[in-house]
Formats: sequence, C-alpha cells, structure tokens
Amino acid sequence: DVKVTQSSRYLVKRTGEKVFLECVQDMDHENMFWYRQDPGLGLRLIYFSYDVKMKEKGDIPEGYSVSREKKERFSLILESASTNQTSMYLCATHSDRFNQPQHFGDGTRLSIL
Amino acid sequence: SQELEQSPQSLIVQEGKNLTINCTSSKTLYGLYWYKQKYGEGLIFLMMLQKGGEEKSHEKITAKLDEKKQQSSLHITASQPSHAGIYLCGADKKTSYDKVIFGPGTSLSVIP
Repeated sequence: DVKVTQSSRYLVKRTGEKVFLECVQDMDHENMFWYRQDPGLGLRLIYFSYDVKMKEKGDIPEGYSVSREKKERFSLILESASTNQTSMYLCATHSDRFNQPQHFGDGTRLSIL
Repeated sequence: SQELEQSPQSLIVQEGKNLTINCTSSKTLYGLYWYKQKYGEGLIFLMMLQKGGEEKSHEKITAKLDEKKQQSSLHITASQPSHAGIYLCGADKKTSYDKVIFGPGTSLSVIP
C-alpha cells in the first residue's frame, strides 16, 4: 500500500510567519501534489512536481512556494502566512503510469491567527 | 474546461437504507475515480472506472460509468454509520494525464 505521510495533522501559526508543510511518500512515485480544501470550493491544486527539483504552478499558487530536493519529499512553504491561508492542506502522490489514482495523505489543518 | 458536478450536495439516510450519489462531467471521462473522505481527514481511494458501461463493487459499494462516459454513480447498499463521510469523484484531465479534477463532494450522514 502507498503511504503518504504529512508532518502535522493540526498546526496553528501567526500572521506573517513562514510555515513549512512536509509530505513524504514511500512508493517511489514521480509526481507529487499539494492541494487546499475549503468548504464550498472543493479541492484546488496549489503546486505539483513531476521530478526532483521540478515544479509547476497549479491553479492557486499565489502566496505559496514548494521544494522537492528528494524524490520522496515535497514541501509546501507559506512565505508570509495570512489569515486567508487558513485551510485544510492535502498532499497526494501519483505514479507515471496512466489511469492510476492519486494517493493522499491524512491532511494538515492549518490555522493562521 | 472540464467540470465535475455531484448530486446531491448532501444526504442524510437511516441506517440500512440504500443510496446513490451521482457525478456528471461536461466532457467525456477518460478515467473516473471515487474517493471517500472522513471528516477532517485525507481522501481514501475507493474505485476507478475507465470503460463505458463498466461497473465495480467493493463490499457494499458499487460504482458505474455510463456508456457515454459522462456520468458515474456510486451506490451504497444497506448503509451503515461507517459509510458516513464525504464522497468525491475525480477525473483525469485529458490534456494532462497526471492531473485530476475533482467534484465538489457529497456529504453523507447515516443515522443509526
């Protein structure tokens, strides 16, 4: 079974802080994704990476950056956290094979005060 | 651009009742995924459908993809409290195989 581990289930930070969300996978999947999930807006793609040191913007990249130094680890960075970034953040992985599902971590519920 | 709609938005059923959730696409579906999300947790993969008319079952959950590949249904037989959660459908974006778009989700509550 694919295991996708997010570093924190719950996180509380203050406005202006730099926030790091970490995601680690154990299945050697090439592709990794960061989503945020908000009521009424569903899942929205922030960034994704298809290889080490490679990244592409998703639908809502503003205010975020990412890092992928190793294949198994994909980090989401909030450079200067703001209250509108309070949300549920979900990491997912996906192999390069066509028609395979994405596998998700347990999520991090982030509150920015 | 392709969009997924789900109906109903929310559902409350008595334990033991059957129910159906629908996922409709504005364009042909090339890979349709069903996920379940317990409140406050991540998404758990349930099933994947690819071919028109395909049907898959796992325990008391059956998913179907219609012949035209624009609508999928998820049917739960004899619902239990453990079925409660949010059900999301996802579909491969034709233009980018490694990206998936998701429906807004259907919230299911099962009353004992």
